[in-house]
Amino acid sequence: SAVISQKPSRDICQRGTSLTIQCQVDSQVTMMFWYRQQPGQSLTLIATANQGSEATYESGFVIDKFPISRPNLTFSTLTVSNMSPEDSSIYLCSVGGLGYEQYFGPGTRLTVT
Amino acid sequence: AQSVSQHNHHVILSEAASLELGCNYSYGGTVNLFWYVQYPGQHLQLLLKYFSGDPLVKGIKGFEAEFIKSKFSFNLRKPSVQWSDTAEYFCAVRVDDKIIFGKGTRLHILP
Repeated sequence: SAVISQKPSRDICQRGTSLTIQCQVDSQVTMMFWYRQQPGQSLTLIATANQGSEATYESGFVIDKFPISRPNLTFSTLTVSNMSPEDSSIYLCSVGGLGYEQYFGPGTRLTVT
Repeated sequence: AQSVSQHNHHVILSEAASLELGCNYSYGGTVNLFWYVQYPGQHLQLLLKYFSGDPLVKGIKGFEAEFIKSKFSFNLRKPSVQWSDTAEYFCAVRVDDKIIFGKGTRLHILP
């Protein structure tokens, strides 16, 4: 299984600002995923990020609000733009395994005030 | 739309009790099924997975799950729980390249 790290682990941000979350994997992977886990809710897929192509966003998520970069096979970033308190959540990145399972990072806990 | 339903949001058991957490999914095609666990303060970990073959799959820490295609179910079981099993458990189904998660079940084991 891959080892995934995320930065920052947590942050408190003001309304209207943006935060970029980094995800680093210890091996090269084709597919990386970004999820959101709102308080008391399950994980919701935001987008799939493949190296060399534009991210694919799920219904309800748009690139202007959640721009994603995937510059190489071990790294990705997710930006939460123009934040509001409704964006307070845990943001997780994951990578696909050989058997279609996914491995998750520790998450970034974001609080927007 | 595809979905995953977990029957219990919060389960409290005493140590040595048997556990069964229900999971149903709505998708008529070929699925891959997973159970993930999140221990307090830790990140999501894969507990077990089903792809094909024997519908009874065994995972880590004595957990097992049974895939019943006719019932669209993938229930998680453990014959005797331990205090260290206190965690949140997520059932998930892979459809195309996406994994859809249930809302999770918080399991609390009393010592």
